[in-house]
Amino acid sequence: KNQVEQSPQSLIILEGKNCTLQCNYTVSPFSNLRWYKQDTGRGPVSLTIMTFSENTKSNGRYTATLDADTKQSSLHITASQLSDSASYICVVSANTNAGKSTFGDGTTLTVKP
Amino acid sequence: EAQVTQNPRYLITVTGKKLTVTCSQNMNHEYMSWYRQDPGLGLRQIYYSMNVEVTDKGDVPEGYKVSRKEKRNFPLILESPSPNQTSLYFCASSLGLYNEQFFGPGTRLTVL
Repeated sequence: KNQVEQSPQSLIILEGKNCTLQCNYTVSPFSNLRWYKQDTGRGPVSLTIMTFSENTKSNGRYTATLDADTKQSSLHITASQLSDSASYICVVSANTNAGKSTFGDGTTLTVKP
Repeated sequence: EAQVTQNPRYLITVTGKKLTVTCSQNMNHEYMSWYRQDPGLGLRQIYYSMNVEVTDKGDVPEGYKVSRKEKRNFPLILESPSPNQTSLYFCASSLGLYNEQFFGPGTRLTVL
């Protein structure tokens, strides 16, 4: 069964600090991996999309990495801001049925002043 | 403004009363999808559509129907809602499978 596991479940950091969120998946064969940011009560917003041939992608202070061999991805947030407080969700799609997505449960990040 | 709209945003209904949640996008996107989000379970995909008249099941399709008669609209139909379908529902669209996915604002459904 395709699964996506994220860690940690929650994280508290001080404003200005960096942090890294992890995503491990068993989805196979791999098609693409996405990271989303979701503010409470709102729809997710896309941060990055990576396909098999990409191992890093940046979007401002957000940098995602992908290791397709170990089936791991990370999302690194640099110089955190209070507005980064949100849930970060990792989503993976399989090549055999690329329209179908498997979501991780998300990491809840709280940035404190 | 490029956007995905959902209606209604909030709905309280009773068991067995058929309802439709509409989803519309104005970006000429081919791919559309419906998700539900429950506390502690994260987002789960209900149905998706790769293009007009092409739909397929996601992970939790039971109790739901969809249709894609035109590119911009992808309604979610609950023929006989039950309390376990109480949830927050999101519609999303993207140009293609490898493009950024845009989510609607969500529909909070309560089935009594």
